[in-house]
Amino acid sequence: QQPVQSPQAVILREGEDAVINCSSSKALYSVHWYRQKHGEAPVFLMILLKGGEQKGHDKISASFNEKKQQSSLYLTASQLSYSGTYFCGTEKGSSNTGKLIFGQGTTLQVKP
Amino acid sequence: GAGVSQSPRYKVTKRGQDVALRCDPISGHVSLYWYRQALGQGPEFLTYFNYEAQQDKSGLPNDRFSAERPEGSISTLTIQRTEQRDSAMYRCASSLGGRSQPQHFGDGTRLSIL
Repeated sequence: QQPVQSPQAVILREGEDAVINCSSSKALYSVHWYRQKHGEAPVFLMILLKGGEQKGHDKISASFNEKKQQSSLYLTASQLSYSGTYFCGTEKGSSNTGKLIFGQGTTLQVKP
Repeated sequence: GAGVSQSPRYKVTKRGQDVALRCDPISGHVSLYWYRQALGQGPEFLTYFNYEAQQDKSGLPNDRFSAERPEGSISTLTIQRTEQRDSAMYRCASSLGGRSQPQHFGDGTRLSIL
């Protein structure tokens, strides 16, 4: 079953923060985050593997609450380059293939 | 090459024709995935290969769709007797293998069925 992302869209000014959420009704093994710019391929950002794990690089970080089957992506002090559509891809606990089920995406627009 | 390579980039064909889409994964990547992505939507899983073995084809919409990876490297997704509803972006991704590995996507093939 497809994970649900919220919000569907967000508009920010440069320097503002944003949070994108991803919720699943299924037990999850991991959550993957990707960013896709218009006309381009999705680009891998990070994987969250453990319950409560937080990861990040630069000013983008994420958390994974295994019990709640939720993950959140945090974008701090947003830059123009952060604009794009963000997808979470979920890997079920019962899967051993790495198969991902993607959410419907969250479109982020950062304005000067 | 350095990334996942897909060809052709664009394919326009008439309804009823067969099409073959090619994917050349990153060298050394044993896992290969095919996804379909509708405009404004996330990628939708089609099928998965581990080396040459097709281990999951649960996402293939019907028996007009098939895929192969005979030597564990290049893969071909074939759609027979195409229909207009098959029009979409078809993306291939590869990874080192196993669970929880980053998947690296190709630029995709934009398929249009007239």
